[in-house]
Amino acid sequence: QQQVKQSPQSLIVQKGGISIINCAYENTAFDYFPWYQQFPGKGPALLIAIRPDVSEKKEGRFTISFNKSAKQFSLHIMDSQPGDSATYFCAAQSQAGTALIFGKGTTLSVSS
Amino acid sequence: SAVISQKPSRDICQRGTSLTIQCQVDSQVTMMFWYRQQPGQSLTLIATANQGSEATYESGFVIDKFPISRPNLTFSTLTVSNMSPEDSSIYLCSVYDLAKNIQYFGAGTRLSVL
Repeated sequence: QQQVKQSPQSLIVQKGGISIINCAYENTAFDYFPWYQQFPGKGPALLIAIRPDVSEKKEGRFTISFNKSAKQFSLHIMDSQPGDSATYFCAAQSQAGTALIFGKGTTLSVSS
Repeated sequence: SAVISQKPSRDICQRGTSLTIQCQVDSQVTMMFWYRQQPGQSLTLIATANQGSEATYESGFVIDKFPISRPNLTFSTLTVSNMSPEDSSIYLCSVYDLAKNIQYFGAGTRLSVL
């Protein structure tokens, strides 16, 4: 049973465009939703995270939008750059200290 | 942030052999996790390895196949036993910083089983 569903599987965006990746969850006990960025040959690194008490969080060009009633959250990358080309994972956590549950990942390619 | 070193970074092994992966952290951490990432796939939790207790394995993973040691707060090992080609994957060590509520990952061990 996949607890966090992520789409699309892959995404191609022109330089300067907006990249949007979506995730959905079922477990209402989840209360922490991070996004991780992974470059080839590297481990995943935390990009940005949100808790359900806010609907949006922005850090530079990266924004998380959160819809608690729909149990969905998304990552928006504004002004996408070739350096953003990587695999992005959404994740969820039900209790501080427990392991993150990851979506299947989205491979983003930003063409110049 | 926690810096995690994994050894080896990659290996090619023969069917039926075992490989032990080491994970060293630059700070003391209570909670440590081992994940598997198959090519182009997501991260699947193998087990939680907290210091001072036996590792807790997720469904589909057993101690006989993936024994874990956690001798102190900065080190852990994962052994992949009696390997088959299906074990070819990336194995990732991860630690949890409770104060910052951030989970950090090592660069992974890329294992190929022939």
